[in-house]
Amino acid sequence: DAKTTQPPSMDCAEGRAANLPCNHSTISGNEYVYWYRQIHSQGPQYIIHGLKNNETNEMASLIITEDRKSSTLILPHATLRDTAVYYCIVRGGTSYGKLTFGQGTILTVHP
Amino acid sequence: GAGVSQSPRYKVAKRGQDVALRCDPISGHVSLFWYQQALGQGPEFLTYFQNEAQLDKSGLPSDRFFAERPEGSVSTLKIQRTQQEDSAVYLCASSPGLAGGNEQFFGPGTRLTVL
Repeated sequence: DAKTTQPPSMDCAEGRAANLPCNHSTISGNEYVYWYRQIHSQGPQYIIHGLKNNETNEMASLIITEDRKSSTLILPHATLRDTAVYYCIVRGGTSYGKLTFGQGTILTVHP
Repeated sequence: GAGVSQSPRYKVAKRGQDVALRCDPISGHVSLFWYQQALGQGPEFLTYFQNEAQLDKSGLPSDRFFAERPEGSVSTLKIQRTQQEDSAVYLCASSPGLAGGNEQFFGPGTRLTVL
């Protein structure tokens, strides 16, 4: 699975949009981009995933560039409960699906 | 509905003791994963089960680590002769299908401290 690069930390004001970037320049054509987050003392939680089209669900939006070498996770209206470590993961679509986590981005949402 | 549960939530062991960590996946989930998360790091893959078959154990750090899922539901991760470097959070995750497109549902983890 391709490696990902994320900033180690980001801050966001409550109620504003949080935009978390991820670089995955070596991604292959059949690999998906997944986002998970981990709130303190909990297990990781799935957020969203995509292949090449932009995706949106009740939690977030995922914007993937046309060349698929980078993506952005958008939390449209961040709340204090969104403070967590966010992991961007590239995962092969044909594999059984083990996840390779990096260091992630620590997002801190401020009042 | 019940999610993935793990027990115990916390375990303290003296160096050299054996420990057993339990994972109850979501009912009906075919795939089960174990991960190890050291302090300040992202989780790292240990092993994968498809029903009762252990298809990948490439992430187990040594032969002191053993996992089983004899009836294709509950899984146990056993660590023999624990060492201080085994101190970590052990996470279990389950997934409904066989292919890589399914999301994984994680339990809360077991925090193991080896003294």
